[in-house]
Amino acid sequence: NAGVTQTPKFQVLKTGQSMTLQCAQDMNHNSMYWYRQDPGMGLRLIYYSASEGTTDKGEVPNGYNVSRLNKREFSLRLESAAPSQTSVYFCASRPGTFWETQYFGPGTRLLVL
Amino acid sequence: KNEVEQSPQNLTAQEGEFITINCSYSVGISALHWLQQHPGGGIVSLFMLSSGKKKHGRLIATINIQEKHSSLHITASHPRDSAVYICAVTYGGATNKLIFGTGTLLAVQP
Repeated sequence: NAGVTQTPKFQVLKTGQSMTLQCAQDMNHNSMYWYRQDPGMGLRLIYYSASEGTTDKGEVPNGYNVSRLNKREFSLRLESAAPSQTSVYFCASRPGTFWETQYFGPGTRLLVL
Repeated sequence: KNEVEQSPQNLTAQEGEFITINCSYSVGISALHWLQQHPGGGIVSLFMLSSGKKKHGRLIATINIQEKHSSLHITASHPRDSAVYICAVTYGGATNKLIFGTGTLLAVQP
């Protein structure tokens, strides 16, 4: 049982390049989330998926797209990376009942030059 | 003004000391979370509570809904407690969306 896994762990991009951050969970959770963490700021929600087949915008969705490929996988795509997207990205999942907390992946550190 | 504010931002303690980290929020919430983030980045949920007090080992979390305030206490602190402690609140009903504080960096010296 690996929990929530993210790939890659670290990535360097040039401005304008695209990439997809992968997230998978093996806990049969319904809800999945993408956050970014920047120095001096709290984690901020980019997109979430309350259940398989649905996605919704969070607080900072501009410049990102997501795909809930199946119940296990939730990917985050940067179509044209910008230096402002330099951040640490965390994926999280939750079973779906209210009194369950979120389980976080190890994070992906992204540097956009 | 942030919707979730933590204090202090940084805290240094000696091993064995009793530690308190505070969290105040300004929005209506369904629940409050305390999370721990170790160097290297992994985030682990410590507590989720909506009233009263919860205890797990040397950690105690309390919440006062009327005052919109929560505290995380660490008794008999140890260097392995050194981490960033993050307060977050649940909003958004069934979607369980979270608003996070900026965290408290705790260093416990031997």
